[in-house]
Amino acid sequence: AQSVAQPEDQVNVAEGNPLTVKCTYSVSGNPYLFWYVQYPNRGLQFLLKYITGDNLVKGSYGFEAEFNKSQTSFHLKKPSALVSDSALYFCAVRAGNRDDKIIFGKGTRLHILP
Amino acid sequence: GAGVSQSPSNKVTEKGKDVELRCDPISGHTALYWYRQSLGQGLEFLIYFQGNSAPDKSGLPSDRFSAERTGGSVSTLTIQRTQQEDSAVYLCASSRDRGQIYEQYFGPGTRLTVT
Repeated sequence: AQSVAQPEDQVNVAEGNPLTVKCTYSVSGNPYLFWYVQYPNRGLQFLLKYITGDNLVKGSYGFEAEFNKSQTSFHLKKPSALVSDSALYFCAVRAGNRDDKIIFGKGTRLHILP
Repeated sequence: GAGVSQSPSNKVTEKGKDVELRCDPISGHTALYWYRQSLGQGLEFLIYFQGNSAPDKSGLPSDRFSAERTGGSVSTLTIQRTQQEDSAVYLCASSRDRGQIYEQYFGPGTRLTVT
């Protein structure tokens, strides 16, 4: 069965510092990996995805994520955090089977401290 | 273009009543998902429709919950005999066919409060 884990419930980062939000996964076959963000009082928005190709994918708002097959990880990163990045971040995974549903992690709350 | 819409945006109901929540996916999206999100918590998968395939109902928490999708478009989530623990935000999402490589587009959610 496929699964995804976000080991940190909350991450605190000072504004201007680099940030990392961790995600590990378990699937049979090739994974398709996604990051979504939920800003306060707003709906979930797609940030970026890894399907194939370059292990480093770039997405919205200056975020990027690195696919690491050997470590089964897909950590979200940003070189310089902004206060406006404070939100709830979800990692998601699905296997290559056509009708497999997407599975979301429990979410990590990111606090950027001014 | 139009995004995923959900109605109502808020619903307050008395314990024991039935409620229906509606989702209008993006036109042409064949995959549709329902999730539940309790206050500040993660997403709990409820049900998944993909084209003409039988829906994946593995996330429905009890037989009080059911969902249907008519004509491959609009979906309705029904909760019978509501309980206070059903209070949450119910989110709908859709994605394109062969959805494993396509991201989901989420609606704004329906906030359900059971009193």
